[in-house]
Amino acid sequence: RKEVEQDPGPFNVPEGATVAFNCTYSNSASQSFFWYRQDCRKEPKLLMSVYSSGNEDGRFTAQLNRASQYISLLIRDSKLSDSATYLCVVNTFGNEKLTFGTGTRLTIIP
Amino acid sequence: DTGVSQNPRHKITKRGQNVTFRCDPISEHNRLYWYRQTLGQGPEFLTYFQNEAQLEKSRLLSDRFSAERPKGSFSTLEIQRTEQGDSAMYLCASSLRIGTSNEQFFGPGTRLTVL
Repeated sequence: RKEVEQDPGPFNVPEGATVAFNCTYSNSASQSFFWYRQDCRKEPKLLMSVYSSGNEDGRFTAQLNRASQYISLLIRDSKLSDSATYLCVVNTFGNEKLTFGTGTRLTIIP
Repeated sequence: DTGVSQNPRHKITKRGQNVTFRCDPISEHNRLYWYRQTLGQGPEFLTYFQNEAQLEKSRLLSDRFSAERPKGSFSTLEIQRTEQGDSAMYLCASSLRIGTSNEQFFGPGTRLTVL
C-alpha cells in the first residue's frame, strides 16, 4: 500500500464549478500536511498547508481528518488557470522527507 | 531571482556515461533535498542535507548515485554508469525548518534522458 494515495483522475470540470480532491495517508505518525500544485513540466509549488482545524485561502479550502487519515482540497468557482496536477503531501515529525501522492490531474474546461 | 536554481535544465546522455547536476538553494536555507520524479508519479525522496552533512539517504539512491554539499551551500548529484531507468526529472528543494514547519521550495528540475 502506498503511503499517500490519491485518485489520479483526470478530472475534467467546467469553468465555475466546484471540485474536490481526496487523499489518504497510511502513516499515523504523519504530522504536517500540504497540497502542492504542479503545472505541466514545471516544479511543484506549495498551494497550502493543511491544519487540523481546516483552513481556507480564497477559493481553496483544505481539511484534515486525523482519525480517518484523510485530507481534502476543495476548489470553488474554478478558473481555467486552476488546470494543473494537485499533489497531496505528508511529512512525519523528525523525518525530513516529504512523501507525495501520485497527484490528481485537473483540467478546467471553458 | 532568489529561488532554487538547478543546472543544467536538460541533459541527454548515453547509457553508461556519468552525469552531474547542480543545485543552488535559497541562500538562507540550511536544508537541501533531492527528489526524483518520473512520468505520472509524484516526486520521490532521494537524500537530504543539513548544512554540509548528508543525514538521510533513500533506498532509491543506489551506489551509482552520490550527492555532496561541500560548503553547506550548493549541492551536486552525480550518477555514474547511467541506465535507461535513470531517466527522470531530478528536483532539488531547500527549506529553513522553523518549529514543525517543513515547507520545501523546489527548483525547476533537471530532466535527464538516458538513451
